[in-house]
Amino acid sequence: GAGVSQSPSNKVTEKGKDVELRCDPISGHTALYWYRQSLGQGLEFLIYFQGNSAPDKSGLPSDRFSAERTGGSVSTLTIQRTQQEDSAVYLCASTRPSTDTQYFGPGTRLTVL
Amino acid sequence: AQSVTQPDIHITVSEGASLELRCNYSYGATPYLFWYVQSPGQGLQLLLKYFSGDTLVQGIKGFEAEFKRSQSSFNLRKPSVHWSDAAEYFCAVGANNFGNEKLTFGTGTRLTIIP
Repeated sequence: GAGVSQSPSNKVTEKGKDVELRCDPISGHTALYWYRQSLGQGLEFLIYFQGNSAPDKSGLPSDRFSAERTGGSVSTLTIQRTQQEDSAVYLCASTRPSTDTQYFGPGTRLTVL
Repeated sequence: AQSVTQPDIHITVSEGASLELRCNYSYGATPYLFWYVQSPGQGLQLLLKYFSGDTLVQGIKGFEAEFKRSQSSFNLRKPSVHWSDAAEYFCAVGANNFGNEKLTFGTGTRLTIIP
């Protein structure tokens, strides 16, 4: 596809449930980032993947958050035992090799009731 | 640690008027600087970026920004706004570490255009 895609576009879940958010980066993009956009908090970096290197997980807010990237392409962000403060828009971005411009997907809006 | 401040939460401008959105950053070395725009329900679109060289950078949709090291600023400007410019604008700084360019964003400025 032409851009980064994310699914689902909206997710409503109950507190305590686990959720999985998916990101399909642009073909050929080797780096992938997850960000969270919360009301009043702006955009926060969560995690970064680059090729086969160990991911930079320094932005993950708690051990309930994890992410993986399979085959250097698709990534899944998993939130276990969701809490109401996890409600946010989760954005994924990818970049081509040797560039620094991140291309963002439309995001997944997560609502935890 | 790097940080970005966008002091204006909300700005209202008349259509056809000029626009300046402020951005101040904190970073120990020469930063990578970006402006992104987010329309309602849309993802972030890159307007322009500064890595090095000419401190006045041109972007898409008629936007430009000027990097001023002495003021730690990277303000976004447009000489004449259009109703379609109504959106949220984010300034971001990237660590100058090639390979992991995790961005630190400001909290955004919401732009409203009035007729």
